[in-house]
Amino acid sequence: GDSVTQTEGLVTLTEGLPVMLNCTYQTIYSNPFLFWYVHYLNESPRLLLKSSTDNKRTEHQGFHATLHKSSSSFHLQKSSAQLSDSALYYCALSDRGTNTGKLTFGDGTVLTVKP
Amino acid sequence: SVLLYQKPNRDICQSGTSLKIQCVADSQVVSMFWYQQFQEQSLMLMATANEGSEATYESGFTKDKFPISRPNLTFSTLTVNNARPGDSSIYFCSSRPGTGVYAEQFFGPGTRLTVL
Repeated sequence: GDSVTQTEGLVTLTEGLPVMLNCTYQTIYSNPFLFWYVHYLNESPRLLLKSSTDNKRTEHQGFHATLHKSSSSFHLQKSSAQLSDSALYYCALSDRGTNTGKLTFGDGTVLTVKP
Repeated sequence: SVLLYQKPNRDICQSGTSLKIQCVADSQVVSMFWYQQFQEQSLMLMATANEGSEATYESGFTKDKFPISRPNLTFSTLTVNNARPGDSSIYFCSSRPGTGVYAEQFFGPGTRLTVL
């Protein structure tokens, strides 16, 4: 079945430094749909951005990610971290098999940005 | 977009009891999903609920333990039967407008359950 791997459980960095959160996936389908969700403390998870076509960059709120089917990756990046970026970030893969919109989530990465 | 409301926001119950969590959408939606999240861990999909049919459960979750009802296109209820301390977590319902696999999924505010 589908799977999503986020290798870093916890990332801590200083404000102003670049952010990169890793996400790789496995699926039998050739056209995967990937998402990044952000989950702030005491709020609901919400969509940060979603994948486009292969090798095309998508951006939202200063974050960007590019789907690379050759490496089955959809890493999340930001050029300069802000304190307000501290949150839990999930990479998710949409189920193409059942067409229900079911999402498979990675384990999540807790990003902590310090002054 | 779709707005989802959950009730209660939080609950504390004794081991062995049952409790219900309600999820209401502000518009009709085809599928509703229920997730379980332990503190700062992954969102685990429990089941998918479509109107008028039995929910489809993921591995590790059963109908007997977590029965789900979906009586209409805006409402779903998750029941936790014979609650145990290991069930203490946050439960989220989610859904999406439309039916495309690319549609954004929206989440309710969550219900924080503590089982004593």
